[in-house]
Amino acid sequence: DSGVTQTPKHLITATGQRVTLRCSPRSGDLSVYWYQQSLDQGLQFLIQYYNGEERAKGNILERFSAQQFPDLHSELNLSSLELGDSALYFCASSGSIAKNIQYFGAGTRLSVL
Amino acid sequence: GEDVEQSLFLSVREGDSSVINCTYTDSSSTYLYWYKQEPGAGLQLLTYIFSNMDMKQDQRLTVLLNKKDKHLSLRIADTQTGDSAIYFCAETSGNNAGGTSYGKLTFGQGTILTVHP
Repeated sequence: DSGVTQTPKHLITATGQRVTLRCSPRSGDLSVYWYQQSLDQGLQFLIQYYNGEERAKGNILERFSAQQFPDLHSELNLSSLELGDSALYFCASSGSIAKNIQYFGAGTRLSVL
Repeated sequence: GEDVEQSLFLSVREGDSSVINCTYTDSSSTYLYWYKQEPGAGLQLLTYIFSNMDMKQDQRLTVLLNKKDKHLSLRIADTQTGDSAIYFCAETSGNNAGGTSYGKLTFGQGTILTVHP
């Protein structure tokens, strides 16, 4: 168990809908990262938050947004969903600024029908 | 930009050693990592190596880093059927704009390791 908790494990929704994925980092970790894993793109970095502030952005679509709350949990919001958004979404957390050791949650599998 | 490449498949017999290879392009990579993903599961951190090291050993795992050739390898000794999984190489480099974290990991496409009894 990595200590990173992601909910829900599975989400099935329809095109055009909006969903929220939730992540609780390991106790004490200030950094949260979101990644998308799909068959065609592999593992892609989406966005990073550090202690409530956005720190880095990757290949995140404008339809997607995220935030990190004062209790350090994070949410990834996906809107106007398309079939191509079906993927596994991972959250990772890190408490080590120097080594950037990221521990991953079990992921949320999103299926857009 | 950063790029990480791995071979897609590796098949070994139980009890043999497995060697998974990875190449990367970013010369400013600071840390390199190996993650394991089992079916339906998340990414499990196996080990990592700092760019100023050339070898790290951790029980059955040996990581070799050739910084000149930008080549990383993971050797699994006495490979077991339970080692069957996808193995990802990843790298991180430098600081992001905020300077408080190294930021994103760039992953290879993963190597599917199959261990035959």
